[in-house]
Amino acid sequence: NAGVTQTPKFRILKIGQSMTLQCAQDMNHNYMYWYRQDPGMGLKLIYYSVGAGITDKGEVPNGYNVSRSTTEDFPLRLELAAPSQTSVYFCASSWTGGNQPQHFGDGTRLSIL
Amino acid sequence: TQLLEQSPQFLSIQEGENLTVYCNSSSVFSSLQWYRQEPGEGPVLLVTVVTGGEVKKLKRLTFQFGDARKDSSLHITAAQTGDTGLYLCARLTGNQFYFGTGTSLTVIP
Repeated sequence: NAGVTQTPKFRILKIGQSMTLQCAQDMNHNYMYWYRQDPGMGLKLIYYSVGAGITDKGEVPNGYNVSRSTTEDFPLRLELAAPSQTSVYFCASSWTGGNQPQHFGDGTRLSIL
Repeated sequence: TQLLEQSPQFLSIQEGENLTVYCNSSSVFSSLQWYRQEPGEGPVLLVTVVTGGEVKKLKRLTFQFGDARKDSSLHITAAQTGDTGLYLCARLTGNQFYFGTGTSLTVIP
């Protein structure tokens, strides 16, 4: 079982460049999430989606965009990379909301120089 | 505020010892989840507690939800090297999860 797959695993960007972090899940989960994890800061929610075509902002959405055209995919877009966006990004999915378990990918480590 | 404070931030113990880590908030939460994260991987759910005073056991791990639902603890009995990792608590508000900063546990053989 693949679960939640994130690509790429590592990436280095220059300031001002753009990129898309990919996330795919094969569990037919309705809810998907994007988090960032900075050293000593825990995970902070960037955006989430409760189903295809529906997205909403989380705690730290500035500088990011998302789309959810299918149930399986939930890409995260950085338009103008800034050093403050250097972080490890995790995608997660769950069957529904509430206390349903979130299944996480293995993360994308992004450095912006 | 959605702030969850976890303590201690770092913990290093010998194999076989017992330990407790804590997750506290100034506000009441309806439920709490505990996750463990190993280096280079995403967090994995350990347990969800929903009722004040609730105690759940998962092998050598005991989770407790405070009576006032403002705090939770995780107790590990006879720690093993495989318990090494980052322990995170998370509370649910609406559709959003708010995570604590975590306790980094190292179990030394």
